[in-house]
Amino acid sequence: GAGVSQSPSNKVTEKGKDVELRCDPISGHTALYWYRQSLGQGLEFLIYFQGNSAPDKSGLPSDRFSAERTGGSVSTLTIQRTQQEDSAVYLCASSLIPSGGDNEQFFGPGTRLTVL
Amino acid sequence: RKEVEQDPGPFNVPEGATVAFNCTYSNSASQSFFWYRQDCRKEPKLLMSVYSSGNEDGRFTAQLNRASQYISLLIRDSKLSDSATYLCAVLSGTYKYIFGTGTRLKVLA
Repeated sequence: GAGVSQSPSNKVTEKGKDVELRCDPISGHTALYWYRQSLGQGLEFLIYFQGNSAPDKSGLPSDRFSAERTGGSVSTLTIQRTQQEDSAVYLCASSLIPSGGDNEQFFGPGTRLTVL
Repeated sequence: RKEVEQDPGPFNVPEGATVAFNCTYSNSASQSFFWYRQDCRKEPKLLMSVYSSGNEDGRFTAQLNRASQYISLLIRDSKLSDSATYLCAVLSGTYKYIFGTGTRLKVLA
């Protein structure tokens, strides 16, 4: 079946503009995660959704970042007034249930954001 | 101290060699551990979960050392196709995965 999809795959924007990144998780997956990966770095946790609720927004770097999820499916990550330090790959992942064990996180291909 | 730490490498090894990576974690209450593989400019993919008793999948062996708070990944008979970055992940609490920065492996012909 279809995996996690993200759009756009690449986004180049000017400093100060707003951007919206989209994630389509695997159908039926209740847990959805957003991560950020800067060049040569590991994955930085941004936010976690269980259904449409976001019980943990602790990873969002600033109030310029926000995310929502609707219908227990599609999620959008919005970055307002982008800064150059926002340049990174934004990865979305989904899993059937949130807890660990054998519950695998499936990642999307990511959106590569470049802020000029 | 970072919650999850890895040696960034690169580890350059010849084909056929055995190579091992470690990943240390700081939260002694962590219960679930994973190794992911990430190819250049691609998304991470789960390689294997790490079980308390250790587990093996073909040429790959994962182990957990709770006393010293680290997990390891051993790759036997390295192939050129094993060249990638290997990320460890630790489940902190019930849903939050903390990833290491990754260890880069280059298998040389």
